[in-house]
Amino acid sequence: QVQLVQSGAEVKKPGASVKVSCKASGYTFTSHDINWVRQATGQGLEWMGWMNANSGDTGYAQKFQGRVTMTRNTATSTAYMELSSLSFEDTAVYYCARVDVLTNRYFDFWGRGTLVIVSS
Amino acid sequence: DVVMTQTPLSLSVTPGQPASISCKSSQSLLHSDGKTYLYWYLQKPGQPPQLLIYEVSSRFSGVPDRFSGSGSGTDFTLRISRVEAEDVGVYYCMHSIQPPLTFGGGTKVEIK
Repeated sequence: QVQLVQSGAEVKKPGASVKVSCKASGYTFTSHDINWVRQATGQGLEWMGWMNANSGDTGYAQKFQGRVTMTRNTATSTAYMELSSLSFEDTAVYYCARVDVLTNRYFDFWGRGTLVIVSS
Repeated sequence: DVVMTQTPLSLSVTPGQPASISCKSSQSLLHSDGKTYLYWYLQKPGQPPQLLIYEVSSRFSGVPDRFSGSGSGTDFTLRISRVEAEDVGVYYCMHSIQPPLTFGGGTKVEIK
């Protein structure tokens, strides 16, 4: 069955970077885009960007341009999201989500999320 | 950016009764390819979101038929014909007509 297993919780200081991983299994990793969505505690969902798992092409929300980098390792079927220059406002749960292969327009499976806490 | 506005913010529903959630977009979600890229997700407590409805009205695999979606252009509705205890959580609409993808603010559904 399709699984997206994310890395564990992180605590970072302001100004630092965090790299979250998302290991896929149960399907052909390179056949589906991976997107990243974050959710601050008690808040709504915020889209961060997408990555083509085959080509590595990426597109980022303007809010995160220059601070986010999405990469992948096809040998291990793992996607990564690195966010730099962290501030307190980046404290959130970060989700990876697989995009459907037919329309490439929606998220059909999600990881369980990685909590990133930014604290001094 | 497309702004997605959901109402109401919360709903308290008696089991077996219907529920309805509205989602309005700031621009039409009808693409030139003829499809409307509007989706509904449910986030149960402590879980990631799960897809309920895609392209306005198509139920995702395994989603009970008590869930239905309707609408067009900029106005959309999610209906639950008979709410069950397992339906509690926050419901989000989302568009993907163009980047950035954006979500509605969410509607929290609880059981009376």
